[in-house]
Amino acid sequence: DSGVTQTPKHLITATGQRVTLRCSPRSGDLSVYWYQQSLDQGLQFLIQYYNGEERAKGNILERFSAQQFPDLHSELNLSSLELGDSALYFCASSVGGVYGYTFGSGTRLTVV
Amino acid sequence: AQKVTQAQTEISVVEKEDVTLDCVYETRDTTYYLFWYKQPPSGELVFLIRRNSFDEQNEISGRYSWNFQKSTSSFNFTITASQVVDSAVYFCALSEAEILNEKLTFGTGTRLTIIP
Repeated sequence: DSGVTQTPKHLITATGQRVTLRCSPRSGDLSVYWYQQSLDQGLQFLIQYYNGEERAKGNILERFSAQQFPDLHSELNLSSLELGDSALYFCASSVGGVYGYTFGSGTRLTVV
Repeated sequence: AQKVTQAQTEISVVEKEDVTLDCVYETRDTTYYLFWYKQPPSGELVFLIRRNSFDEQNEISGRYSWNFQKSTSSFNFTITASQVVDSAVYFCALSEAEILNEKLTFGTGTRLTIIP
């Protein structure tokens, strides 16, 4: 157990739907990062939050949004889902990027 | 812009052989951090090592060793006496670790298969 908890582990949904992925960071970590791993794009950085505030944005689609709550857990919201959104979504947490990142076990999203 | 290249897409070796996974990176920063992660068939990303740009000492951890050479912008990973449990996809990653830019840039990964 890495200490980073992601739920659900698997999610199957239809095109056009909206889903929410949840991440609880390791105790003491203030930063949360979201990554998408797809076959064609590899591991791509989506967004980072630090202590409730957005800190950096990567290749995140406008249909996707995220937030970090006061208890530091984070949610990634994916809407108007397309087949191409099928991927493994990872959350990672850190006390600061220079100290390394701990990844959760991921949420496998399948859009049908 | 930062970039990580793992030219070896797939490698297969027989158990007990040594194998080296190559990683070449590009960055304009003088301060950066390099990482290796392992992704076994179960899918999670397992942290292996973190190295900062000012520390060029090679590192050994059991059967694993890492060779960091700034002159060639490489951070290669060697597994000695490979075992079947080493079969996984291995990712090299780079972070420029600047405030407001702490993201990890990953290479495309090398799929390592250890043949019993």
